[in-house]
Amino acid sequence: EVQLVESGGGLVQPGGSLRLSCAASGFTFSSYAMHWVRQAPGKGLEYVSGISTNGGNTYYANSVKGRITISRDNSKNTLYLQMGSLRAEDMAVYYCARGTDMVHGRFDYWGQGTLVTVSS
Amino acid sequence: QSVLTQPPSASGTPGQRVTISCSGSSSNIGSNTVNWYQQLPGTAPKLLIYSNNQRPSGVPDRFSGSKSGTSASLAISGLQSEDEADYYCATWDDSLSGWVFGGGTKLTVL
Repeated sequence: EVQLVESGGGLVQPGGSLRLSCAASGFTFSSYAMHWVRQAPGKGLEYVSGISTNGGNTYYANSVKGRITISRDNSKNTLYLQMGSLRAEDMAVYYCARGTDMVHGRFDYWGQGTLVTVSS
Repeated sequence: QSVLTQPPSASGTPGQRVTISCSGSSSNIGSNTVNWYQQLPGTAPKLLIYSNNQRPSGVPDRFSGSKSGTSASLAISGLQSEDEADYYCATWDDSLSGWVFGGGTKLTVL
């Protein structure tokens, strides 16, 4: 059974940093692109970032470019999102999702999400 | 303002057929396939339709998708109370070089 479990969310002050993790199991992690999608309270889904199978290609939404770094450790079956210079508008539930492809395809499995709260 | 435009709400009675539209442009829907996601209240999104009209294993055939030009649609027939959820369309945008989502449609079963 495919499982994606996010962790690392919490309360952080504006300008602060946070690292999110997504532990994957039930599939060959290194064979799939991985993505982060977020959802602000009461709002819709927003694509954040994606990474190719070997980490060689990454994508960032304009809203987070320069402040967020996506990475993966295929030996640990884990996806990461290093977030810095956090703003109020970054407050959201962050979901990791398995992608059948980096550019096309679909997000076929999602984690349960981890909440990031940005507040002083 | 989302790149893909969906109606904010839709509704129907049990047994009815409802459709949800998703409008885009030549750089996204016009040149790439569309996926649909269902988000039940308080849960994570779930893949509902992929590649315009394909259903993942386990998704009832009451759900169907279509695409024409720069627009796509999700149809739900034989509406059931458990279909009450938010529905999102998504596709790759060649101009933005990234994935884009619609703003979401809240489906209410009356």
